[in-house]
Amino acid sequence: NAGVTQTPKFRVLKTGQSMTLLCAQDMNHEYMYWYRQDPGMGLRLIHYSVGEGTTAKGEVPDGYNVSRLKKQNFLLGLESAAPSQTSVYFCASRLHRLAASSYEQYFGPGTRLTVT
Amino acid sequence: AQTVTQSQPEMSVQEAETVTLSCTYDTSESDYYLFWYKQPPSRQMILVIRQEAYKQQNATENRFSVNFQKAAKSFSLKISDSQLGDAAMYFCARGSQGNLIFGKGTKLSVKP
Repeated sequence: NAGVTQTPKFRVLKTGQSMTLLCAQDMNHEYMYWYRQDPGMGLRLIHYSVGEGTTAKGEVPDGYNVSRLKKQNFLLGLESAAPSQTSVYFCASRLHRLAASSYEQYFGPGTRLTVT
Repeated sequence: AQTVTQSQPEMSVQEAETVTLSCTYDTSESDYYLFWYKQPPSRQMILVIRQEAYKQQNATENRFSVNFQKAAKSFSLKISDSQLGDAAMYFCARGSQGNLIFGKGTKLSVKP
């Protein structure tokens, strides 16, 4: 049981390049999330998904796209990277049921992305 | 916008002493959840403690406890008998419509 994994762990891009970050979870969670973490800003929600084939915008969605073709995977794409997208990206997942612990999110180890 | 506020960007505590990290939030919901997450230098986000708003009893997990004041919308974290391994960023978060809203974090240093 690996929990939530993210690929890659580090990446350097040049302005204008594109890339895709992969998040995978093996806990059969319905909800999945992408956050970015910047110094002094905490974690901000980019996009999220409440189930296979569905996605929704979070607080800071501009410049990013996502897809959830399989329940266990959630992809974050940058079509034309900009220096402002230099950040640490976290994926998370959680159960859907309204149980006491259902709001608890399980996080991946993060991806450090630098755009030059 | 519904927010979570951590008013202490940095805190310091002596090893074996007690420290309290503050968190306030706003919400129009009556039932919700509150969390404290720890992020050590490894960057991994680790759940420390959770509180359900409908429960009046404050949550505790070993050396970690909360002081939940629902009317004041306050949710502070107390760390007793601080250890060097407690040094980390601590984030307060509130559950909102299935998502989490995070504060900006408090960096805790532990002095030997």
